[in-house]
Amino acid sequence: DADVTQTPRNRITKTGKRIMLECSQTKGHDRMYWYRQDPGLGLRLIYYSFDVKDINKGEISDGYSVSRQAQAKFSLSLESAIPNQTALYFCATSDPRGHGYTFGSGTRLTVV
Amino acid sequence: QKEVEQNSGPLSVPEGAIASLNCTYSDRGSQSFFWYRQYSGKSPELIMSIYSNGDKEDGRFTAQLNKASQYVSLLIRDSQPSDSATYLCAVTDSGGYQKVTFGTGTKLQVIP
Repeated sequence: DADVTQTPRNRITKTGKRIMLECSQTKGHDRMYWYRQDPGLGLRLIYYSFDVKDINKGEISDGYSVSRQAQAKFSLSLESAIPNQTALYFCATSDPRGHGYTFGSGTRLTVV
Repeated sequence: QKEVEQNSGPLSVPEGAIASLNCTYSDRGSQSFFWYRQYSGKSPELIMSIYSNGDKEDGRFTAQLNKASQYVSLLIRDSQPSDSATYLCAVTDSGGYQKVTFGTGTKLQVIP
């Protein structure tokens, strides 16, 4: 099994719908992140969490919310999806020593 | 806004040659530097980390860091077609959370 698992892998949804992307990890890491990747714009940080009670906004948090249900689970929600939220979304984890990220396989989200 | 700059490429090199990938960053207080490899449609994979000035070698990969010039590079010796991917430079900021900023990546093409 993968260390960082994202579900779903692909999703097509309609404008205005609420959608949740889920992430779970078996690395035992406290730190978890959500990024989106767009062509030409690279990876941009949406939210990050350093433990269950610590959640912080990243550079592009508008239109998104998160929930850290447990050390191993970090979910990203789009409250009312819009077409410019079409992107590849990645969850990642890291340890406190800053030894780099482990990424999930990604969720390709299309909002029509 | 902390920045990490990379040439988007594509950088084309013949099989067996040395590929040189470059990255500059704006935050003088950055302490940790990473290179990730990302195949098309896949998640980024950590291939090198470097924390102090100088060179760090791992197999065919060498990371080079020059903090005075705010410059980090990745050399790939004996390039193989399987090295064809986008290479992302990532840099932690000097803040307490050590947030990571990614460059937009350099696409490398190794020509057989």
